[in-house]
Amino acid sequence: EAGVTQSPTHLIKTRGQQATLRCSPISGHTSVYWYQQALGLGLQFLLWYDEGEERNRGNFPPRFSGRQFPNYSSELNVNALELEDSALYLCASSLVSGDQPQHFGDGTRLSIL
Amino acid sequence: GDSVTQMEGPVTLSEEAFLTINCTYTATGYPSLFWYVQYPGEGLQLLLKATKADDKGSNKGFEATYRKETTSFHLEKGSVQVSDSAVYFCALREAGRRALTFGSGTRLQVQP
Repeated sequence: EAGVTQSPTHLIKTRGQQATLRCSPISGHTSVYWYQQALGLGLQFLLWYDEGEERNRGNFPPRFSGRQFPNYSSELNVNALELEDSALYLCASSLVSGDQPQHFGDGTRLSIL
Repeated sequence: GDSVTQMEGPVTLSEEAFLTINCTYTATGYPSLFWYVQYPGEGLQLLLKATKADDKGSNKGFEATYRKETTSFHLEKGSVQVSDSAVYFCALREAGRRALTFGSGTRLQVQP
C-alpha cells in the first residue's frame, strides 16, 4: 500500500512569490492535514480537509490556503511568501471515522530566498 | 490551550542502554496520546498510541503508558540500537478534534 506522497520534495522561492505544495493521501483516506515544521517553532497544525471541505485551520494568516480535490488529494497554497515561511511542510492523512491515527508523508522543504 | 512538554535533547546513549524520554501534557479533556518518530530526511512515522488512561502503547520494543494522574506519557525502550537514532515527538489529540498538538521533539543519538 502506497503511503502519503508529497511533491515537490524541495521548492525554492523568493519573497512575494506564491508556492503550491501537493499531497496524495493513502488510498481510502478522506481526511488530509497540513502541518508546518519550522526551525525553532516545532510542528504546528495548519489545515484539515475532509470530503472537499476545509474543516479546521490553525493559527495561520489567510495567505495560507488550500483545497481538496474529488480524489481526496490536496494542495496547500502560500501567497505573498515571507522569509519566515521557510519550513518543512508535512501532509498527513487518515480515515474519517473514529479515533484514527494520522499517517505522514516525507514533506516538502520550502526555502524562501 | 493544549500543550505537550518533552525533555530537552539531544539524548546520547550507548547501544543496548535503557531509554526514557519524558513527556507531559496539558489538556482540557481526555486526549489521545501518540509518539511519532522522524528519521533524517523523512516525515513522521507513528510509533505508538494510547487512547485512554492506563492504556499502554507498544511497538518495536518501545512502550509508553498513559498516566492521567501525572498527565504523562513517557517513552521507554529496554535496549536501544544505533538504528533508533532519530527525533521523537510526543503528541496529543483532544477528543472530538483532529489537529495534533506536538511537543518540541527529542533527538536521540545512539552510539555503537
